[in-house]
Amino acid sequence: AQSVTQLDSQVPVFEEAPVELRCNYSSSVSVYLFWYVQYPNQGLQLLLKYLSGSTLVKGINGFEAEFNKSQTSFHLRKPSVHISDTAEYFCAVTGAGSYQLTFGKGTKLSVIP
Amino acid sequence: GAVVSQHPSWVICKSGTSVKIECRSLDFQATTMFWYRQFPKQSLMLMATSNEGSKATYEQGVEKDKFLINHASLTLSTLTVTSAHPEDSSFYICSAGQTSGSLQETQYFGPGTRLLVL
Repeated sequence: AQSVTQLDSQVPVFEEAPVELRCNYSSSVSVYLFWYVQYPNQGLQLLLKYLSGSTLVKGINGFEAEFNKSQTSFHLRKPSVHISDTAEYFCAVTGAGSYQLTFGKGTKLSVIP
Repeated sequence: GAVVSQHPSWVICKSGTSVKIECRSLDFQATTMFWYRQFPKQSLMLMATSNEGSKATYEQGVEKDKFLINHASLTLSTLTVTSAHPEDSSFYICSAGQTSGSLQETQYFGPGTRLLVL
């Protein structure tokens, strides 16, 4: 079984400032890791994913994340945020060969003008 | 690619009625579809997993007779909330995935359906 911890429930940040949203996971098997973004009253959109290979993963909208196996982390970063990045961000994990996603509780990113 | 649609996006119904929500993969064949429920300001909770042509697998605590899932084709799954009550009001989200091909190992989510039971 896997679990996901998103350490911050809310992150306010000024426009054009950098941001890091933290995600830690636990698993007894190899994992695949995902970040999804949810805008108000909408479904989830895939930002990026780590399946294998390079530990630095680049996604859409200028986001990137780094898989750190020793620290069991998959933190999401963006060097300069925009107002349009205001949304809820979910980290998720699935065991290799499995389909079932386990989600974190989400981090609400609020970008302040 | 990898677009998933849901219909309807909003539904308001009276207590005791049944509501059907459709989930379609528009540009790929989804061997597996998932149904989630999301309460306000909370994360997604998996309700059930369905594979095309077989019975859905429900998570613990989810009433299979209340939440009927049908995955009749590789592009369509339906969730029917039977005899809906106010406590069933929620945001229902489906996702779809493939067991092979370029979309393997990733779930793609629909836009969600907001159900309000009066």
